[in-house]
Amino acid sequence: DTAVSQTPKYLVTQMGNDKSIKCEQNLGHDTMYWYKQDSKKFLKIMFSYNNKELIINETVPNRFSPKSPDKAHLNLHINSLELGDSAVYFCASSRFKWVGANVLTFGAGSRLTVL
Amino acid sequence: DQQVKQNSPSLSVQEGRISILNCDYTNSMFDYFLWYKKYPAEGPTFLISISSIKDKNEDGRFTVFLNKSAKHLSLHIVPSQPGDSAVYFCAASAANNNDMRFGAGTRLTVKP
Repeated sequence: DTAVSQTPKYLVTQMGNDKSIKCEQNLGHDTMYWYKQDSKKFLKIMFSYNNKELIINETVPNRFSPKSPDKAHLNLHINSLELGDSAVYFCASSRFKWVGANVLTFGAGSRLTVL
Repeated sequence: DQQVKQNSPSLSVQEGRISILNCDYTNSMFDYFLWYKKYPAEGPTFLISISSIKDKNEDGRFTVFLNKSAKHLSLHIVPSQPGDSAVYFCAASAANNNDMRFGAGTRLTVKP
């Protein structure tokens, strides 16, 4: 039973399209995150939600919009996709609000390729 | 602004020997450090952590050392096993913000 699951695992799409990646966690965690792993392999935080409330919003284009219908779900919607959006996107969750001494539990990643 | 750096992109070690993975950080506010392990097509999984009040934490074959004055930490795996072959990410966080910073990872290959 997967703790953090994200779909789809692979996504290939054309520039200019709009796409969504869904994430669900069954750990009962309060906080969920989206991380982006770019071509240089760094994992960079994009967003963090605690109990459906946005608590981190890094410098990410407005084309990226997270949505948290409940604390177990955090979806990522991307408008007007660009070539530079190609990356692996990881969803993660943690037990507490402040990452501090928290451990993140990651999903398997969603590889987005924009052609 | 790479506050966490893993300068060795890859490391190859013989089975049974020690693997040492290194990590440097620049932000003196970091007070909690973690190592994550990642297999292909999977997400990173937590391996071991250390708080800034300690300089060593051990869990079975895995030991993390922290040198705060040098802003350096290392992960020792002994003895190394082929199943340890993976990418290892160093991560750091600070109590006063909600961001965990990751290094670019080191790919460890343990040869039988």
